[in-house]
Amino acid sequence: AQTVTQSQPEMSVQEAETVTLSCTYDTSESNYYLFWYKQPPSRQMILVIRQEAYKQQNATENRFSVNFQKAAKSFSLKISDSQLGDTAMYFCAFMKTGANSKLTFGKGITLSVRP
Amino acid sequence: DAGVIQSPRHEVTEMGQEVTLRCKPISGHNSLFWYRQTMMRGLELLIYFNNNVPIDDSGMPEDRFSAKMPNASFSTLKIQPSEPRDSAVYFCASSRPGGRGQPQHFGDGTRLSIL
Repeated sequence: AQTVTQSQPEMSVQEAETVTLSCTYDTSESNYYLFWYKQPPSRQMILVIRQEAYKQQNATENRFSVNFQKAAKSFSLKISDSQLGDTAMYFCAFMKTGANSKLTFGKGITLSVRP
Repeated sequence: DAGVIQSPRHEVTEMGQEVTLRCKPISGHNSLFWYRQTMMRGLELLIYFNNNVPIDDSGMPEDRFSAKMPNASFSTLKIQPSEPRDSAVYFCASSRPGGRGQPQHFGDGTRLSIL
């Protein structure tokens, strides 16, 4: 079974600064997918970024990028130029390849962006 | 394109009553997932469907919970009888076919309060 660990329950960052959210996972699979989802106070679950494990290049979406370290089973999210709208809970998630695959979520981390 | 549509957005009812939550997945998505989110347990997968067929219902808490997907565009999650500990936010999500790490797209959730 897969597990996803987000050990930091809360973080805070000054507006315009950079912050990194940590995530580790445990799996015996060699090929899989990793995701970060954002849940703002409005409670929507919004996909932030997706990484394919067989791709060495780290995924990037505008101000969001990941540091994917497959050997270390680490998948951190970097938010550059933090904005007030980035205040949210962030969930790391794992998915095996193959049909009928489901997401395994971490517990989430609450990020507060200070003005 | 319309996203995943859930109804109602909020539901408040008394203990013992039947509760029905509804979900319309994104057109063309063949996988549908029901999650429950609480402060104590985080995001839990209750059940998921592939091509309208339940694949894994191991997350359904007990016999009081049931889910159906009569066609590709509609699913229900029913709780009967409801209990105060069922109070939570319930999310529905859908994803495209393919088994290649297709991201799940979430609805806005139903906040359920059982008094």
